[in-house]
Amino acid sequence: GENVGLHLPTLSVQEGDNSIINCAYSNSASDYFIWYKQESGKGPQFIIDIRSNMDKRQGQRVTVLLNKTVKHLSLQIAATQPGDSAVYFCAENVVGTYKYIFGTGTRLKVLA
Amino acid sequence: DAGITQSPRHKVTETGTPVTLRCHQTENHRYMYWYRQDPGHGLRLIHYSYGVKDTDKGEVSDGYSVSRSKTEDFLLTLESATSSQTSVYFCAISVGSNQPQHFGDGTRLSIL
Repeated sequence: GENVGLHLPTLSVQEGDNSIINCAYSNSASDYFIWYKQESGKGPQFIIDIRSNMDKRQGQRVTVLLNKTVKHLSLQIAATQPGDSAVYFCAENVVGTYKYIFGTGTRLKVLA
Repeated sequence: DAGITQSPRHKVTETGTPVTLRCHQTENHRYMYWYRQDPGHGLRLIHYSYGVKDTDKGEVSDGYSVSRSKTEDFLLTLESATSSQTSVYFCAISVGSNQPQHFGDGTRLSIL
């Protein structure tokens, strides 16, 4: 909602360029990860997920990379469009638990 | 979009009054969650439910209670609202652990 975006790191990219958004996750036991997109006044929207038995997963214009060694997750958006402007955050989950840990997010601004 | 409806979408109330927020889903998902979203924090879990009448506390449960009398509805109650509970509240649903959570569009609650 409107609470999102205050004091967040911001990534500004030119329309048509590729974007890379990073996330450091906290729990070495986490084995399931999700990227969300949140537009102003809306709830988080699922983009893509990845499980710990994979290093990379691709969707439509998006790719998620997982580096378990350094507990790092990244979201790559190809050919960034104005509609991609939003806050993006990652979430992690440990198998068998119903609790997810959410990052604080990065604001993506697409410049025309 | 997942069939999740939160009501009300906006509410302003006074300190000390009771407040109930409603989450209604049409997906028949077993798991439902209540989060709050505040600047500088990731989404924080208040309570969750793993079935009808089955609920458990999250990391910020003090001052909140929940009820789930049927699969489709999950209610969040602030028994005596305080200004620190001013926030945006999101409901989420999922089919289980290690599965995406899908969110409603939130309730903006202001306590004066």
